[in-house]
Amino acid sequence: TQLLEQSPQFLSIQEGENLTVYCNSSSVFSSLQWYRQEPGEGPVLLVTVVTGGEVKKLKRLTFQFGDARKDSSLHITAAQPGDTGLYLCAGENNQGGKLIFGQGTELSVKP
Amino acid sequence: DTAVSQTPKYLVTQMGNDKSIKCEQNLGHDTMYWYKQDSKKFLKIMFSYNNKELIINETVPNRFSPKSPDKAHLNLHINSLELGDSAVYFCASSQLTAGGYGYTFGSGTRLTVV
Repeated sequence: TQLLEQSPQFLSIQEGENLTVYCNSSSVFSSLQWYRQEPGEGPVLLVTVVTGGEVKKLKRLTFQFGDARKDSSLHITAAQPGDTGLYLCAGENNQGGKLIFGQGTELSVKP
Repeated sequence: DTAVSQTPKYLVTQMGNDKSIKCEQNLGHDTMYWYKQDSKKFLKIMFSYNNKELIINETVPNRFSPKSPDKAHLNLHINSLELGDSAVYFCASSQLTAGGYGYTFGSGTRLTVV
């Protein structure tokens, strides 16, 4: 069974701080996706990484896919209260299509 | 213009009842999914349909029966509801079944069984 371990589960920081969320597995994924979910809504796709070692930037967010395609990280620079939410990593398995989600990271950024 | 819409948003029902959740997508995607999010926010796949054909069925009790009348619709019918079925159910769609295409999720149906 493929599993994704996401850490930390909870993160409470002050506005302006930096943070990193990690997503690790012993399995290889064909792609790794990051989503953000707000209360009462469904997850919204932030980014997809497909190549080992790939780095993608989305404004203050930097996403990295591990060389072996088993892990990924999300780094947020100078966090703002608007970044508050549930961040989910999800790996696409090699059989195609099925996304396996990590447990999520609840981020709270205080003004 | 809601991309993936599911109804109802909230559903409160008694144990033993039968209920349905409807989902529609207007993105032209070929693949649709049902996911269950538990009280700890963990998302787990239940079913996947590609162009009306069932391709993933993840050890879900057979009280849950998905139906896809066409590739834009995927409904979920649940028989004999149990307390443990309480969760948020999300419908999602994607362009293809593989290849790193992200999912578009609906806003969820919060099911409470009392």
